[in-house]
Amino acid sequence: GAGVSQTPSNKVTEKGKYVELRCDPISGHTALYWYRQSLGQGPEFLIYFQGTGAADDSGLPNDRFFAVRPEGSVSTLKIQRTERGDSAVYLCASSLFNAGPKFFGPGTRLTVL
Amino acid sequence: AQTVTQSQPEMSVQEAETVTLSCTYDTSESDYYLFWYKQPPSRQMILVIRQEAYKQQNATENRFSVNFQKAAKSFSLKISDSQLGDAAMYFCALEGAYQGAQKLVFGQGTRLTINP
Repeated sequence: GAGVSQTPSNKVTEKGKYVELRCDPISGHTALYWYRQSLGQGPEFLIYFQGTGAADDSGLPNDRFFAVRPEGSVSTLKIQRTERGDSAVYLCASSLFNAGPKFFGPGTRLTVL
Repeated sequence: AQTVTQSQPEMSVQEAETVTLSCTYDTSESDYYLFWYKQPPSRQMILVIRQEAYKQQNATENRFSVNFQKAAKSFSLKISDSQLGDAAMYFCALEGAYQGAQKLVFGQGTRLTINP
């Protein structure tokens, strides 16, 4: 596609539920990134993929968070046993190579009730 | 650790005037990159300008320019001839070339309002 797309645009869930957030990077981009942006804050790094492998997952806050990119294109961020503190906008970005400019998607706003 | 600080939560400027957004940072890396991103209400982060720390010349992109003071660890953004479409949140960000590679560290943002 022309840009990074993320689905859903908004997700409302209840505390304790499982959610999946999807990111479609720009076609051909090998690097993919997930960030989390809490209300009134700048984005915070979660995880970075180079191809299919997670090259750096040091930003994942705990083991309830997991991300995959099985074919080196689409990525899914998975959150188990959601908590109210997980409410945020989850941003995805991609770049053609790992030192290239990062293009961001519009994000998924997650609300945990 | 790398940190980015934006001390101006909000700024406003008259249309067609010039405004400067401030940013300071800290890093232990010898080489790094600095960025300004714009985030309109659509939430999509848009790259405004990029500066490589080893380059002394300040980056410029049309109406946007930076004042990069490496010794002071300061990286301000100047917007000339402000337009209504410039209204947005602006984030300063840092990426290390080595240990901090691939991980953008963002400031808390400055909300810019353009008054017609």
